[in-house]
Amino acid sequence: DTEVTQTPKHLVMGMTNKKSLKCEQHMGHRAMYWYKQKAKKPPELMFVYSYEKLSINESVPSRFSPECPNSSLLNLHLHALQPEDSALYLCASSPTSGGTKETQYFGPGTRLLVL
Amino acid sequence: RKEVEQDPGPFNVPEGATVAFNCTYSNSASQSFFWYRQDCRKEPKLLMSVYSSGNEDGRFTAQLNRASQYISLLIRDSKLSDSATYLCVVNRGSARQLTFGSGTQLTVLP
Repeated sequence: DTEVTQTPKHLVMGMTNKKSLKCEQHMGHRAMYWYKQKAKKPPELMFVYSYEKLSINESVPSRFSPECPNSSLLNLHLHALQPEDSALYLCASSPTSGGTKETQYFGPGTRLLVL
Repeated sequence: RKEVEQDPGPFNVPEGATVAFNCTYSNSASQSFFWYRQDCRKEPKLLMSVYSSGNEDGRFTAQLNRASQYISLLIRDSKLSDSATYLCVVNRGSARQLTFGSGTQLTVLP
């Protein structure tokens, strides 16, 4: 079953709030990702975790703080966001087969609105 | 030049039509190629990986031309349920760093 779950589905927050997005997968995948998708734009990679360690940070502002507590969970902590950070935040996971192809499976996303 | 370029469309085709999407990529070192589809307000879902020899999955055929850095997707006998945005996806750097094209919007009309 290729399922990635994300909570919450929707989130509204003020610029001074602290909130967290959660992602979970039980497929045994050891790579997990955060993407940001603005309306009518493609997803953009933010972070990659491999074996619970941050391996790629695509120069994301520090107001976004990822965390990988274990191999099934991925969090994205949000603090002091700006209205332009409003977007769909997608989590994905992939098996670490070691080959050149690692298919990524996406969760349904959290739709974030920053006021 | 964008890393991955697609014709944005929209493509409006009647049911049963054959439609082809094209995509070009700029990084000659890329090794992983995919087509994803994304329905309105939903997450991207893998449609198919693209292999050098070309591959087919039912009504869908994907082709890769490494020399021209060009990827294509052919959909035969279009169904209403094929209406979606089709995203061409290519890796850059590591296999896990994927770049998505801006997508091609398809609407299949009854």
